[in-house]
Formats: sequence, C-alpha cells, structure tokens
Amino acid sequence: DAMVIQNPRYQVTQFGKPVTLSCSQTLNHNVMYWYQQKSSQAPKLLFHYYDKDFNNEADTPDNFQSRRPNTSFCFLDIRSPGLGDAAMYLCATSNPYGSNQPQHFGDGTRLSIL
Amino acid sequence: GDSVTQMEGPVTLSEEAFLTINCTYTATGYPSLFWYVQYPGEGLQLLLKATKADDKGSNKGFEATYRKETTSFHLEKGSVQVSDSAVYFCALSDRVGANSKLTFGKGITLSVRP
Repeated sequence: DAMVIQNPRYQVTQFGKPVTLSCSQTLNHNVMYWYQQKSSQAPKLLFHYYDKDFNNEADTPDNFQSRRPNTSFCFLDIRSPGLGDAAMYLCATSNPYGSNQPQHFGDGTRLSIL
Repeated sequence: GDSVTQMEGPVTLSEEAFLTINCTYTATGYPSLFWYVQYPGEGLQLLLKATKADDKGSNKGFEATYRKETTSFHLEKGSVQVSDSAVYFCALSDRVGANSKLTFGKGITLSVRP
C-alpha cells in the first residue's frame, strides 16, 4: 500500500542535542508537510515543500529546519532542542492537482527531551 | 483569515448512541472541508471530505454535509461503536496547488463506553 512512513516512532534526545526526524512516502506526491502537535492540541504547520521549493511558516522557530533531498524523503532537523519542543511531529503529503486533494499523514514521531 | 470552530469536548457516549459533532468555519474563498480522525498514538487519517456546497461526505457510517448557508460541516453517525473512540478534527483547505494548507479546529475527544 502506498503510504507515508515516519521513523522512528519514538525519539528521545537530550536538551540541546541536535536531532533529525525522517519521513518517506510512496505516494509520489509533490507536496510534503511537517507539523508539530502538542498534547490535546491541533497540529501546527511548521513548513512545507512543493517539490524542492521550501515554504516556512512565519512563526516557525529558527531552531527548526528541513531538507528534502528527493521526492520520496523529507527530514526535520531540530538544531538545539528545548524542553518546549517535546511533541508529536507529523509528516504529511498531498497531490496539488485536482480539487483540493486531502493530506495523507504518517503515524508521527513522538519526541521526548531529557 | 480562515478559521474552524469545533464544539467543546470531550464527548462521552454509550455504544449505539447517535453522534453529532458540530463544526463551523470562516473562509474567504470556497474551501474544501475535511474530517480527520486520530486514534491514540497514531497520525491523522482522513475520515471524509466535501469539496463544494451541498456535497455529502461519508465513510465508515459517518456523514457530514457541506452547508454553505450556515457555514457548517457537522459530523454525524447513527450508532457509535467503542472502536470509534478517538480525537476528531474538522479542517478546511482554501487554496489549491502549491499553497494548499489545512486549517484545523481544536479537535474533540470522543469516548464510547460499552
């Protein structure tokens, strides 16, 4: 089945130690998104890629960066994680063509900060 | 700007009860509307969608009708099951193509007891 896969499902890192979360997709979608979701809240969009074009949300902290080396893979880099960055991180993809296609989500990576 | 308002939760129902979760929206254009469901520890799954006024989305016994006159997209199910226990997010997308983004409501937790 075509899908969005996030690895790892659970990630623990130390305060200030860089961490990378990964996302891959077999849907061949042009657009990939990264969201942060804190407990009992809606997902908050951090940034998205349309092919290689990067689009950062205005309120995304500089601490968060992303890379998309090819259509299938996208990475979220947190340069110096703080305690407030502990959250679920969701990757999603969409096909930009046609009538408002839905986004397809992975199962997320839950990040803990020690 | 665009916004989505969901009724306050949580909601607790007995199995086989009727479910209604209210959702209203504000948008400048002609949005597509979505309901996503999130089971514990997982990512978001598309439950149903509607892309124009009077469309009815349906899936797994759930239904929602796009009502432009009341700017609403209420989710209903005639007989809930324990397995429907999850968090439900109403969302809209007001753009197509590269700038397509989802605006989420706050989500509501549904608990169904046997």
